Amino acid sequence: GAGVSQTPSNKVTEKGKYVELRCDPISGHTALYWYRQSLGQGPEFLIYFQGTGAADDSGLPNDRFFAVRPEGSVSTLKIQRTERGDSAVYLCASSTSGNFRTNEQFFGPGTRLTVL
Amino acid sequence: GDSVTQMEGPVTLSEEAFLTINCTYTATGYPSLFWYVQYPGEGLQLLLKATKADDKGSNKGFEATYRKETTSFHLEKGSVQVSDSAVYFCALSDPYNQGGKLIFGQGTELSVKP
Repeated sequence: GAGVSQTPSNKVTEKGKYVELRCDPISGHTALYWYRQSLGQGPEFLIYFQGTGAADDSGLPNDRFFAVRPEGSVSTLKIQRTERGDSAVYLCASSTSGNFRTNEQFFGPGTRLTVL
Repeated sequence: GDSVTQMEGPVTLSEEAFLTINCTYTATGYPSLFWYVQYPGEGLQLLLKATKADDKGSNKGFEATYRKETTSFHLEKGSVQVSDSAVYFCALSDPYNQGGKLIFGQGTELSVKP
């Protein structure tokens, strides 16, 4: 079956612009996660959705970052007034549940964001 | 806060050599531990996991044992292949967050030469 998909695969924008990154999780997965991966680093948690609600947004770096999942499936990560430091690969993952002991998170290929 | 530390790479080995990638963690509670792998041009995928002390996770010839006394989860393989060349990430699942967010180490790049 289809895995997690993310669009676009690459996004180049100018400093100060607004961007939206889309994640389409595996069908039926209720849990959805966003991570950010800088060059040479491991992924860092941003936000977690269980269904439509953001259950944990403690990883969002500031109020320029926002994410939604209005119908409990597709999610959009929104970044306002982009800065050069936002350049990274943004990863989306989904899983069947939020049980931390057993869940396997399935990752998408990522969106590479470059802010000029 | 919780954290994961991996040995620095890159690690370069010849085919059929023995592999160890060290991973240690710091956690307030009792986490689950994972190894994820990222092959060139592909997304992260789960390699193996262990959910309690002394558990051994294994997959594709790789093994890792959850050692609570040394807070470690070292990845091992007895005989590596060129196809094992990838970046390996150790991760834990935060025990105080029932949502299961993952905390990753910085990754270790493995290059296997024929």
